[in-house]
Parts: sequence; C-alpha cells; structure tokens
Amino acid sequence: RKEVEQDPGPFNVPEGATVAFNCTYSNSASQSFFWYRQDCRKEPKLLMSVYSSGNEDGRFTAQLNRASQYISLLIRDSKLSDSATYLCVASKSGQNFVFGPGTRLSVLP
Amino acid sequence: GAVVSQHPSWVICKSGTSVKIECRSLDFQATTMFWYRQFPKQSLMLMATSNEGSKATYEQGVEKDKFLINHASLTLSTLTVTSAHPEDSSFYICSASPRGRLGETQYFGPGTRLLVL
Repeated sequence: RKEVEQDPGPFNVPEGATVAFNCTYSNSASQSFFWYRQDCRKEPKLLMSVYSSGNEDGRFTAQLNRASQYISLLIRDSKLSDSATYLCVASKSGQNFVFGPGTRLSVLP
Repeated sequence: GAVVSQHPSWVICKSGTSVKIECRSLDFQATTMFWYRQFPKQSLMLMATSNEGSKATYEQGVEKDKFLINHASLTLSTLTVTSAHPEDSSFYICSASPRGRLGETQYFGPGTRLLVL
C-alpha cells in the first residue's frame, strides 16, 4: 500500500464546477500536509499548506482529518487555468516529503 | 520568495556519456536538497536526499554508483548520471528545504529534461 494515496482521476469538469480531491495517508506520524499543483512538463508548485482547522485561499479550501488520516482539496468555480495535476503531500517533521501519485484535472470550456 | 534553479534545463546526449545536473538555492541556505525523477504520466519518485557535507541517502532501488550526488555547499547540490542509457531518459527535479525547516516546506527547481539517445 502506498504511503499517500489519491483519487485515481482524471477528473474532467466544466468551467464553473466545484471539484473535490481526496487523499489518504498511512503514516500516523505525519505532521505536515500540502497540496501542490503540477502543470504538464513543469515542476510542482505549492498550492497551499493544510492545517488541522481547515484553511481557505480564495476558491480553494483544504481540510485535514487526522483521525481518519484524510486530506481534501475543494476547488470552487473552476477555471480553465485550474487544469493541472494535483499532488497531495505528507511529511513528518524533519523528514522528506512523501508525494501521492497525483490526480489530473481538466476543466473544459 | 525562495528560488531554486537547475541547470541545464534540457540535455540530449549519447548513450554512455555522463550528465551533470546542478541545483542551486538562490536566496536561502539549504542543508538538505532532494532529487526526484518523474517519468511521463507518473508521479515524482524520490531518488535521494542530499545533505550538505555528508553522503547522500538513496532510496531503495536507486543505484548510488550510477547517480552520484554531491552537496558541497549550502546552496549547491549536483546529480551526475553516469554512463547514461536510454532508460535514464526522464524529468529530473530537485528541491531544497531552507535551513532549519526540513519537513515544513520544499521549493522546487524547474527541472531538467534528459533524453539519452
């Protein structure tokens, strides 16, 4: 079993739709969580950190459930420019990141 | 913000040659840098963790004699793919953690695309 797992995707949604990505992690010692986005043939870029209380950044909302070891990312009013692969990341303090396999999103006009 | 550069961005080489990729943190010190490899339509796979002034830690299945890593300073790590073969063709990405913030954040370089003919 992979340490970080994500929805297999791909997700194809129309502009303006709300889309949710799910992620689970198996290492209960993980303390820090992130969502990265990766455009085709580019490096990953940090989208947002994920905090226990949940956090929002514009159209993006991230939530963490430590009891279920579950992380989510919600994108509201999706734009064409949101098309990318979304990577879930978990890490323990002082350790390297563990990336999930990623979920590809295509927002269609 | 923190910037990580990689050089070169593209490499095309003949089978059997060695290729050196540089990863630099431009505006911060990084005691730890990471080297990833990504094949088409796959996720990033960590190859090794590079610590300044000490030997790199390689992930299982990654040959340390084939992928030589040197982290000689707090702002530079290099990855040398020795005797490259077509199956080494991939997208190589480095990342760096600011000093004292390992596990908190990583900043990624733009990647190096290697094609071995």
